[in-house]
Amino acid sequence: QSVLTQPPSVSGAPGQRVTISCTGSSSNIGAGFAVHWYQQLPGTAPKFLIYDNNNRPSGVPDRFSGSKSDTSASLAITGLQAEDEADYYCQSYDSSLSGSVFGGGTKLTVL
Amino acid sequence: QVQLQESGPGLVKPSQTLSLTCIVSGGSISSGGYYWNWIRQHPGKGLEWIGYIYYSGSAYYNPSLMSRVTISVDTSKNQFSLKLNSVTAADTAVYYCARSLRTGWFDPWGQGTLVTVSS
Repeated sequence: QSVLTQPPSVSGAPGQRVTISCTGSSSNIGAGFAVHWYQQLPGTAPKFLIYDNNNRPSGVPDRFSGSKSDTSASLAITGLQAEDEADYYCQSYDSSLSGSVFGGGTKLTVL
Repeated sequence: QVQLQESGPGLVKPSQTLSLTCIVSGGSISSGGYYWNWIRQHPGKGLEWIGYIYYSGSAYYNPSLMSRVTISVDTSKNQFSLKLNSVTAADTAVYYCARSLRTGWFDPWGQGTLVTVSS
């Protein structure tokens, strides 16, 4: 049972827009701790995608964006491409655990 | 840029101790400011943060694993290590090392190493 809750799967056709939600609580996202997002392709380590809620590291396309509100956050992907098919994870800090917590991951399928 | 590389046995017997090392290159653990983490991923499952260590040796662990985990640092070798004792099949996972700020994001990550617990 992950501390942060994500939908197990989402899907969309090429060119479409999809969003992935990440729901937390008052001890993590709701406490003001930032949310970060990762993309994991099969057989590879997670890749850093979004930091501090809505910032993209250099090299990440602007098709990827993040937002945060109250106790939840979202990752949006516009102009879906076949190469976006991957697992996506959200991550934050939890004051009750005094450590990092992850969402359970969302599998994105490009139809 | 900083790179991390995990190393250690890929097979551990039940009840024994899992030991992994993460070698850091392209930057010094001793420079401070960053925390050095272990994260694992059970087969087909999500990510689980195990714990972190600071260059000073101060460590903190996930409460769910705290009784079995030790993370240590060797600044002279620019590496840090994970020990997980009394392992069971439930500890079979890909283990990653990663750098972070204390409440921040993980970047970079090592490539990960699969550890299987089996007799």
